[in-house]
Amino acid sequence: GDSVTQMEGPVTLSEEAFLTINCTYTATGYPSLFWYVQYPGEGLQLLLKATKADDKGSNKGFEATYRKETTSFHLEKGSVQVSDSAVYFCALVSGSARQLTFGSGTQLTVLP
Amino acid sequence: DTGVSQNPRHKITKRGQNVTFRCDPISEHNRLYWYRQTLGQGPEFLTYFQNEAQLEKSRLLSDRFSAERPKGSFSTLEIQRTEQGDSAMYLCASSLGGLGADTQYFGPGTRLTVL
Repeated sequence: GDSVTQMEGPVTLSEEAFLTINCTYTATGYPSLFWYVQYPGEGLQLLLKATKADDKGSNKGFEATYRKETTSFHLEKGSVQVSDSAVYFCALVSGSARQLTFGSGTQLTVLP
Repeated sequence: DTGVSQNPRHKITKRGQNVTFRCDPISEHNRLYWYRQTLGQGPEFLTYFQNEAQLEKSRLLSDRFSAERPKGSFSTLEIQRTEQGDSAMYLCASSLGGLGADTQYFGPGTRLTVL
């Protein structure tokens, strides 16, 4: 079945540091890929998405590129802020399925 | 756009009791999803509606769980004879529908604690 593997956290960075959160997937066909973010006390919010190979999703300074050859969708940001502290989830939808398959999440803490 | 709303936000119940949660999707969204999230894990799919039709159910959805979406608007998720293992955050999401994987918008969730 479909699955998503994220790098284990928690991740702690200083403000303005570079962020990478690794995400790899296993899926049938050509999935659509997503990053969701969950801020403390809030619901899941879509951060960015990519629907086909080599697409780059971007939002709020975050980027991720759909790499079919490595089945990866790593999340990056050049300079993190304290306000980026949250849990980040990588997810996919594949084939005729409509539901999201999520990774286990990566807790990010950014220190001032 | 008022977003997806869920009620109640928190529910504490004793083992063996029945509970019901409500989800109000974004208006004009045809698809509605239920997920369950336990501490430290990503959400897991439970079931999905296209308008009023329940099109898919996960094997996680035991016989004690039932979901409805009458008239294709709000949805309810009922858990009968709750067990301590049912303690989790129950998330609802909705999407517009159409071809392909459209964006799902999540509600704030209902946190269930079974004592």
